[in-house]
Amino acid sequence: DTGVSQNPRHKITKRGQNVTFRCDPISEHNRLYWYRQTLGQGPEFLTYFQNEAQLEKSRLLSDRFSAERPKGSFSTLEIQRTEQGDSAMYLCASSSQLRRNTEAFFGQGTRLTVV
Amino acid sequence: DAKTTQPPSMDCAEGRAANLPCNHSTISGNEYVYWYRQIHSQGPQYIIHGLKNNETNEMASLIITEDRKSSTLILPHATLRDTAVYYCIVRVSPSNSGYALNFGKGTSLLVTP
Repeated sequence: DTGVSQNPRHKITKRGQNVTFRCDPISEHNRLYWYRQTLGQGPEFLTYFQNEAQLEKSRLLSDRFSAERPKGSFSTLEIQRTEQGDSAMYLCASSSQLRRNTEAFFGQGTRLTVV
Repeated sequence: DAKTTQPPSMDCAEGRAANLPCNHSTISGNEYVYWYRQIHSQGPQYIIHGLKNNETNEMASLIITEDRKSSTLILPHATLRDTAVYYCIVRVSPSNSGYALNFGKGTSLLVTP
């Protein structure tokens, strides 16, 4: 296992379309996080899963954003009716519950461009 | 989580030590100091973390003041590949958001030849 994998790496979509991103965490990691990063800013936390349970979703930016982790392994982040303001890098990270204060490992991100 | 303050940018000559400061004057006793960095177009990378003792690993050293209100990340021999944005994050472990990290804008470090 080589780390957190995100697909696609780049996505260009027309305004109003729906998009879905996938994240495959490190295999033994049961915690998974989604972040969004806009130009010149640090990553912004969106949501968090522990196994298949979504324990924090109040930071999702609007009801157009949703995330799932159905079997506690990979996760998807969906944006419905995309807007130009959704253009950003979407980052996924994972960590292990077995180690206290463990670091999170990040994927390379999916760069979304809404035209 | 406690708020952190970092300089927006710093320069360092290749081969010299890079000392990146971070102020976290409102840090609580159970909050850890984490450092991550982000090289252009990549995801953030963990560097080091600590509670109150100084820490060292293969990447860097973390010096935390006795009152824990500030810290310094030290890259002992900076290389061009260390050019990145460095984030200082203070985080309770755990919180309602699990281990979610509250990134600020960080310090953009430029290592020059």
